[in-house]
Amino acid sequence: GAGVSQSPSNKVTEKGKDVELRCDPISGHTALYWYRQRLGQGLEFLIYFQGNSAPDKSGLPSDRFSAERTGESVSTLTIQRTQQEDSAVYLCASSLTPVRFSYNEQFFGPGTRLTVL
Amino acid sequence: TQLLEQSPQFLSIQEGENLTVYCNSSSVFSSLQWYRQEPGEGPVLLVTVVTGGEVKKLKRLTFQFGDARKDSSLHITAAQPGDTGLYLCAGAPGANNLFFGTGTRLTVIP
Repeated sequence: GAGVSQSPSNKVTEKGKDVELRCDPISGHTALYWYRQRLGQGLEFLIYFQGNSAPDKSGLPSDRFSAERTGESVSTLTIQRTQQEDSAVYLCASSLTPVRFSYNEQFFGPGTRLTVL
Repeated sequence: TQLLEQSPQFLSIQEGENLTVYCNSSSVFSSLQWYRQEPGEGPVLLVTVVTGGEVKKLKRLTFQFGDARKDSSLHITAAQPGDTGLYLCAGAPGANNLFFGTGTRLTVIP
């Protein structure tokens, strides 16, 4: 009965370096979401995966951000040439079905705290 | 852009007091959810409201969805230190994702 897990829990990197964040959703959850949470603020939607459909990338802030998901399993969020404004907690969530269909609960991981020096 | 404004942004109260947190938008949402987030953790769902005017109770927490489905409130009776956290409202406008509010950071002092 594991929940959503994310790794690493903390990542400190230098400006200009690439980082890769990992999310393991709850088994059987078809939908997976990535959010960004800046210090003291709410959640900002980044990208959404639903099964094998094309992902909804409408929230990605720039072309430095990309994400992949293989089937209904692990997802990775990659940030290239990191900038200081990328510093935030990156949260992953999964749900049984898309939010719009049945108001399904999103289960969140603990997040990865990214610090760009 | 469908913004969800929450007020107050910060709230510090004594144990045993009552409080209300508001979530307002100019947009209509098909459903609205309330989450609580504790430091170092992801948000955890408290409730989903779907029908305009709906009221849901969860122990000492009362949630209301506005008649026009544009706003919601969370009322806590006799707050306890365990209620401390960041309260987030999130609306589903029918798209794939949730739009999250700006958050209310609640501190309950013993």
